[in-house]
Amino acid sequence: GQNIDQPTEMTATEGAIVQINCTYQTSGFNGLFWYQQHAGEAPTFLSYNVLDGLEEKGRFSSFLSRSKGYSYLLLKELQMKDSASYLCAVNGGYSGAGSYQLTFGKGTKLSVIP
Amino acid sequence: DVKVTQSSRYLVKRTGEKVFLECVQDMDHENMFWYRQDPGLGLRLIYFSYDVKMKEKGDIPEGYSVSREKKERFSLILESASTNQTSMYLCASSGQKRLDTDTQYFGPGTRLTVL
Repeated sequence: GQNIDQPTEMTATEGAIVQINCTYQTSGFNGLFWYQQHAGEAPTFLSYNVLDGLEEKGRFSSFLSRSKGYSYLLLKELQMKDSASYLCAVNGGYSGAGSYQLTFGKGTKLSVIP
Repeated sequence: DVKVTQSSRYLVKRTGEKVFLECVQDMDHENMFWYRQDPGLGLRLIYFSYDVKMKEKGDIPEGYSVSREKKERFSLILESASTNQTSMYLCASSGQKRLDTDTQYFGPGTRLTVL
């Protein structure tokens, strides 16, 4: 089966750094995604990791360790607009039906306070 | 830019009604997906399609059916709506099966209330 765990809620201060962790156990692995979702809106793509290491994209970075089944999303210089849910999703590999499915974690709700 | 649109942002239906939710993408993507999202349960896959007229069940297909007659359009059908189908419904699409193009892009969502 597929299992993805991430903290339910986190709070951080404007201007600070926050790290959101994600652990996964999946039967296969073909990449890990992070999405941002503001309340009442659709998820938007943030990052993709398929190899071990750190991917940096402006204020956001994402790290992957395949051997540990672990990823984190690092947000620097937090802004109020970063208050949102952050979803970790794993591509468990070629499904045989010709499509890559994603299994999503339940999301981490981040609140940025002044 | 990828654009995924959904026919309605908000929908209110009565128990027993047949409900159609439509999704259209303009990026010539092969794969399309329907999810529902509920508090505390996260995103759950209902059905997906990897080609025209092809469909596969996701994790929670009961009570739903889908139709993909054209590549750009994927419809979700609730044959007889029930109150436990009140939810946010999200459509997504993704491209060819290359390393970095299975990113799923989401539509704005339809908040369905069944009374």
